[in-house]
Amino acid sequence: DTAVSQTPKYLVTQMGNDKSIKCEQNLGHDTMYWYKQDSKKFLKIMFSYNNKELIINETVPNRFSPKSPDKAHLNLHINSLELGDSAVYFCASSQVGLAGVLTDTQYFGPGTRLTVL
Amino acid sequence: QKEVEQNSGPLSVPEGAIASLNCTYSDRGSQSFFWYRQYSGKSPELIMFIYSNGDKEDGRFTAQLNKASQYVSLLIRDSQPSDSATYLCAVPEGSWGKLQFGAGTQVVVTP
Repeated sequence: DTAVSQTPKYLVTQMGNDKSIKCEQNLGHDTMYWYKQDSKKFLKIMFSYNNKELIINETVPNRFSPKSPDKAHLNLHINSLELGDSAVYFCASSQVGLAGVLTDTQYFGPGTRLTVL
Repeated sequence: QKEVEQNSGPLSVPEGAIASLNCTYSDRGSQSFFWYRQYSGKSPELIMFIYSNGDKEDGRFTAQLNKASQYVSLLIRDSQPSDSATYLCAVPEGSWGKLQFGAGTQVVVTP
């Protein structure tokens, strides 16, 4: 059973296109995240949703728009793709307790490798 | 911006030796610390979690935390080629499970 799944696994597209990445978790967690890992392997948080509500919104171009239809799904839509958007995007989920305290580790999806040509 | 720093490596370790990885953090209020392992082309997976000063052992892995000096280390005993990976240190920042990751240390275990 896959705990956190992402689609697609690979995404190759031209500059200026719009693309979406989907994420689903079956762990019953209430919090989901999007991370970007660049070519230097630095993993940086982009967004987080708790029970469909946006709670973390880092300094990310507004071409990136997350959406959470329910607490088990978190999608990422990217408009007007640029070369610098090429990276691996990881979805993750965790259970966050009272007052937003992390009570368990974050579980990561397999990643989506985005290549912008 | 709170910082988490690691030596990027690569750290070359002979098979059977001890690999020692260090991580320093800037937020003196940090209470818990995570070590993730990431194989090339794969996603990070948790290997250790520590929140108390001192040592925590799990199999061949030992995490050591020193809050006064603001560092957390990871020891891998009896290193195996399968331990070759990048090890990421992560520290919670604020609330809602936000993790600040270090840049990772690449470990290469040579037979």
